[in-house]
Amino acid sequence: EAGVAQSPRYKIIEKRQSVAFWCNPISGHATLYWYQQILGQGPKLLIQFQNNGVVDDSQLPKDRFSAERLKGVDSTLKIQPAKLEDSAVYLCASSQDRYEQYFGPGTRLTVT
Amino acid sequence: DAKTTQPPSMDCAEGRAANLPCNHSTISGNEYVYWYRQIHSQGPQYIIHGLKNNETNEMASLIITEDRKSSTLILPHATLRDTAVYYCIVRVANNAGNMLTFGGGTRLMVKP
Repeated sequence: EAGVAQSPRYKIIEKRQSVAFWCNPISGHATLYWYQQILGQGPKLLIQFQNNGVVDDSQLPKDRFSAERLKGVDSTLKIQPAKLEDSAVYLCASSQDRYEQYFGPGTRLTVT
Repeated sequence: DAKTTQPPSMDCAEGRAANLPCNHSTISGNEYVYWYRQIHSQGPQYIIHGLKNNETNEMASLIITEDRKSSTLILPHATLRDTAVYYCIVRVANNAGNMLTFGGGTRLMVKP
């Protein structure tokens, strides 16, 4: 089966610019997650969707980050405006059961 | 979620068993132990999970102590491709999804 797809793989922007990341989960997976991984740290959950509804966005910096999952399939994560500390790898994951999450390759964002 | 403690790094000779320890002394009765690994520049990959009993799959074995306060992930015959950061995570598996809280993990270096 096809894995979780993410694009772009790399993005370089200047601070105060906007950026968007796209994720296509594994077909049939109802739950979708976005994680932020800063260099040298483990991934940190930003937001979790169940179908097209938000389950948990408690760690999402809502003043600059937004995410949506239209039609319960693909998802987009946006940052506007970006700050230097947003430089990280943004990982998308999906799951269909209570146990295993499947991760995409991630998008490496560099904010200069 | 129960906090986990892992050594920051370990070395293992190629072909030998790699034994990765994890302490989770505050684990609750309904919390599972999960192991994921992250190879450089890739997203995390699920390895195995367990509740009370020891578990084995094609990738690894998970040994959980009787009091459930610690566990060991065993890679029976480590190869160079097993070089990665290994994360031990303790989490309740519930129907609302399965948010993972990653710590620092153990960086396993398999050497020829």
